[in-house]
Amino acid sequence: GAGVSQSPRYKVAKRGQDVALRCDPISGHVSLFWYQQALGQGPEFLTYFQNEAQLDKSGLPSDRFFAERPEGSVSTLKIQRTQQEDSAVYLCASSLGTGGDSPLHFGNGTRLTVT
Amino acid sequence: KNQVEQSPQSLIILEGKNCTLQCNYTVSPFSNLRWYKQDTGRGPVSLTIMTFSENTKSNGRYTATLDADTKQSSLHITASQLSDSASYICVPRSGGSYIPTFGRGTSLIVHP
Repeated sequence: GAGVSQSPRYKVAKRGQDVALRCDPISGHVSLFWYQQALGQGPEFLTYFQNEAQLDKSGLPSDRFFAERPEGSVSTLKIQRTQQEDSAVYLCASSLGTGGDSPLHFGNGTRLTVT
Repeated sequence: KNQVEQSPQSLIILEGKNCTLQCNYTVSPFSNLRWYKQDTGRGPVSLTIMTFSENTKSNGRYTATLDADTKQSSLHITASQLSDSASYICVPRSGGSYIPTFGRGTSLIVHP
């Protein structure tokens, strides 16, 4: 497919477990974003990559959250020692350019439930 | 700091009716503003983009307006369809910033 792909689609984790969420962006897209979306809320920014460089991680809520995009394509969002407040949908988006003219293309997200 | 306020928070209308969704923003300097549609269980999809010089733009039954002076935008949906049921999110972007700011969205339900 030509869209952004995220896996897994659903993830249930016990409190304290580590999780890894994967994002396959559209091929050739330079920019990659991770957002967190709570129920009934808009997406909240977590972190931004331009190719393999993580240019902004100001939205990561704690040092338990870590993201990487080592080859400038696939990205992984890792959450260590998950807590109940981490339960949310995690959205990945990619865009062709680095400016504001290109739309963000979103995946369908990973719904994380921490029990 | 909340830079995007959308109203109403939720809206229920009958199929075939029109509706208008509002967005007030405070990002500065302004670069552009997009409206996204988010179906339940899916990621947001861009509907339209408004730049500083544009007052109105249509995309099928969707018409977006922008008043850069008052920092307001609206999304008007004509002859609503059941498939219009979704969350509509206003996303202004600041010049020089990589990061678009997402509003909370308006949840629209269209009843038959």
